[in-house]
Amino acid sequence: DTGVSQDPRHKITKRGQNVTFRCDPISEHNRLYWYRQTLGQGPEFLTYFQNEAQLEKSRLLSDRFSAERPKGSFSTLEIQRTEQGDSAMYLCASSRIEAQGGNEKLFFGSGTQLSVL
Amino acid sequence: AQKVTQAQTEISVVEKEDVTLDCVYETRDTTYYLFWYKQPPSGELVFLIRRNSFDEQNEISGRYSWNFQKSTSSFNFTITASQVVDSAVYFCALSVDGGYQKVTFGTGTKLQVIP
Repeated sequence: DTGVSQDPRHKITKRGQNVTFRCDPISEHNRLYWYRQTLGQGPEFLTYFQNEAQLEKSRLLSDRFSAERPKGSFSTLEIQRTEQGDSAMYLCASSRIEAQGGNEKLFFGSGTQLSVL
Repeated sequence: AQKVTQAQTEISVVEKEDVTLDCVYETRDTTYYLFWYKQPPSGELVFLIRRNSFDEQNEISGRYSWNFQKSTSSFNFTITASQVVDSAVYFCALSVDGGYQKVTFGTGTKLQVIP
């Protein structure tokens, strides 16, 4: 039984560099979410996919951020020209949704901790 | 706009004590969903409960219980006979459509259970 897997667990980068994170959801899960969590705060929604379609993006997701889920399985989140304010935990979550409504249950990964120096 | 307030930043209790984590929410919608998640040191959030606004019955699950009071806009979480494994950050969250795109999380309460 494998849960949501995120790689890497930690990433240290210099300001201005590009970084890419990967998320492998639970097999058969059709929805995949990205959240950002800064120290002392709760997670904030960034974007989500249903299968390979990116259905919604938060205003938090600036032009420097891009997310993909090319085959409807794993997803990548790329941050270009990183800034110190990008330092945060980036959480991925997945779910299987079969109908509209409030019955969706998210399973979270352990996150990628990004530090921008 | 929604808001979730968890006024308790950190709580320390001695093992076997009961502890209540407070959650107060704000929303203008009459239909909404409330959640509690646990975030252990490993980082992943673990789902604990989801409750919709039309169901005000309190719920008990083992040592966990939840008290939902619409009159005071509160959804408090009690752990009975706390254990060291309960040490974690606990988040209360609110979603007006049950979905996770517009979910609003509180700032969390860090619970430390001392042996």
